[in-house]
Amino acid sequence: AQKVTQAQTEISVVEKEDVTLDCVYETRDTTYYLFWYKQPPSGELVFLIRRNSFDEQNEISGRYSWNFQKSTSSFNFTITASQVVDSAVYFCALSETGANNLFFGTGTRLTVIP
Amino acid sequence: DTAVSQTPKYLVTQMGNDKSIKCEQNLGHDTMYWYKQDSKKFLKIMFSYNNKELIINETVPNRFSPKSPDKAHLNLHINSLELGDSAVYFCASSQDPAGNAKLFFGSGTQLSVL
Repeated sequence: AQKVTQAQTEISVVEKEDVTLDCVYETRDTTYYLFWYKQPPSGELVFLIRRNSFDEQNEISGRYSWNFQKSTSSFNFTITASQVVDSAVYFCALSETGANNLFFGTGTRLTVIP
Repeated sequence: DTAVSQTPKYLVTQMGNDKSIKCEQNLGHDTMYWYKQDSKKFLKIMFSYNNKELIINETVPNRFSPKSPDKAHLNLHINSLELGDSAVYFCASSQDPAGNAKLFFGSGTQLSVL
């Protein structure tokens, strides 16, 4: 069975600090996909990134970076020089091969204090 | 133009009533979904349709009935509403039903059952 754990329920940081959101997953599949979605206070869910299980390269996109490590079943997300607009709930999610069933973690609420 | 639009945004109703939530996507996607987000922010898939055919039906009470008149629409009808149905319901779409599909979400419908 698939499982996604986001142990950090809430995190508060002061603006310009770096912050890392943790995600640990479980799956029996050898091929799977990992995602991060952002849910700002306005409520909609916004796609941030997708990785497949064969691609362990880390990725950087502006102030965002992702660290995927199969050895520890983790897919962590770092925001560098955080801004108030980064305040949101961030969800890590897992999808297995052939399954169109995105399984979400419980989310981490990030508050960036000005 | 909003890519995935759902109406209404807020729905307040009494127990026992029947209500519908409408969803439309203008992205030309083949696959549409309904997700439920509870008060603790946990997101769980309810249904998935591909080309108007039901492909995922999670353990959802049969009071919930999705209807897809065409590829661009997936409506959710709920009979005999109960207090526990109070949640935010998200419609989403993706290009195809593959496990690596990127989902585009609507802005959510907050359902309150009194």
